[in-house]
Amino acid sequence: KQEVTQIPAALSVPEGENLVLNCSFTDSAIYNLQWFRQDPGKGLTSLLLIQSSQREQTSGRLNASLDKSSGRSTLYIAASQPGDSATYLCAVMGVWGKSTFGDGTTLTVKP
Amino acid sequence: DVKVTQSSRYLVKRTGEKVFLECVQDMDHENMFWYRQDPGLGLRLIYFSYDVKMKEKGDIPEGYSVSREKKERFSLILESASTNQTSMYLCASSLFLKGEAFFGQGTRLTVV
Repeated sequence: KQEVTQIPAALSVPEGENLVLNCSFTDSAIYNLQWFRQDPGKGLTSLLLIQSSQREQTSGRLNASLDKSSGRSTLYIAASQPGDSATYLCAVMGVWGKSTFGDGTTLTVKP
Repeated sequence: DVKVTQSSRYLVKRTGEKVFLECVQDMDHENMFWYRQDPGLGLRLIYFSYDVKMKEKGDIPEGYSVSREKKERFSLILESASTNQTSMYLCASSLFLKGEAFFGQGTRLTVV
């Protein structure tokens, strides 16, 4: 059974700092991995999708990497802003089409 | 941009009521999903549908049913609402079963 862990559960940084969020998974037989952002009381917004054959994806100030063999993905946020404050979740898609979500890292960027 | 719209942001229902949660997507996606999200338990899949009138049980289907009569619309039905169904309900859609998922804004359901 796939297990997805996101550590730390919460992170607070000053504005302008570069930061890394972590996602680890136990079964490396994955199809893809997707990073989401969730604002309080709202739905999930897709940020980046990495296919299992890819090593990284970039969108603006976000860069996501994937190391399937070690069961790890990171989301790098450059020059963080208060508007980046949210909960970030990763979801691992198994080869059989089932997604497993992490519990998320709640990020606070202080002005 | 893909748009997934859930009919209500907040709902308050009484125990025993039949509850309908509606979800509509505008990108002609084949696949639609219903999740619930609870603190400490994360997102759990209730049901999904890969085509009109087709449905598959997820991890926690008990107490729920679904309906997909049109491609763009996927409904979650609580036959007889109970307090343990108080939760945030999230609808999602994707073009391919293993493709990028797009979520709606969520429905916060409270059963009293």
